[in-house]
Amino acid sequence: DAKTTQPTSMDCAEGRAANLPCNHSTISGNEYVYWYRQIHSQGPQYIIHGLKNNETNEMASLIITEDRKSSTLILPHATLRDTAVYYCIVNSGSARQLTFGSGTQLTVLP
Amino acid sequence: EAGVAQSPRYKIIEKRQSVAFWCNPISGHATLYWYQQILGQGPKLLIQFQNNGVVDDSQLPKDRFSAERLKGVDSTLKIQPAKLEDSAVYLCASSNTGTPNEKLFFGSGTQLSVL
Repeated sequence: DAKTTQPTSMDCAEGRAANLPCNHSTISGNEYVYWYRQIHSQGPQYIIHGLKNNETNEMASLIITEDRKSSTLILPHATLRDTAVYYCIVNSGSARQLTFGSGTQLTVLP
Repeated sequence: EAGVAQSPRYKIIEKRQSVAFWCNPISGHATLYWYQQILGQGPKLLIQFQNNGVVDDSQLPKDRFSAERLKGVDSTLKIQPAKLEDSAVYLCASSNTGTPNEKLFFGSGTQLSVL
């Protein structure tokens, strides 16, 4: 599976949009982009995933560039409860396991 | 619906002792995963079960770690004997059928401290 590169940490003001970038320049055609987050002392929580089209659900939006080499997770109106480590993962459709990197620590500031 | 249940929440043992962790996945989920998360790192897969069979245990240190899922529901992960470097959070996750691109549901984990 392709590797991902994420910033180690980011801050965001409460109520503003949080834009979390992820670089996956070696992604192959059958690999999906997944986002999970992990709030302190809890297990990871699924957020969203996509292949090539932009995706939106009740939690977030996922924007994937046309060349698929990078993506951005958008939390439209960040709250203090969104403070967490956010993991960007690429995984082929044939690989059953998810390989987590170190993620981005997002801190939402009041 | 009830989530993935794990126990105990915390465990402190001395090196060379043994320890066991228990996981009850979401009802009806066929696939169960055990991950190890060392402080400051992302979770690392140890073993994956499909019903009561092992799909992947390539990253499980089999000289000291063992896991079972006898009836295809609950699972137990054991460490014997424990080493200092086994200090970590042990996370259990489950998914519905184990097909690619399914979301995983995680428990809150068991935090193990080996002294």
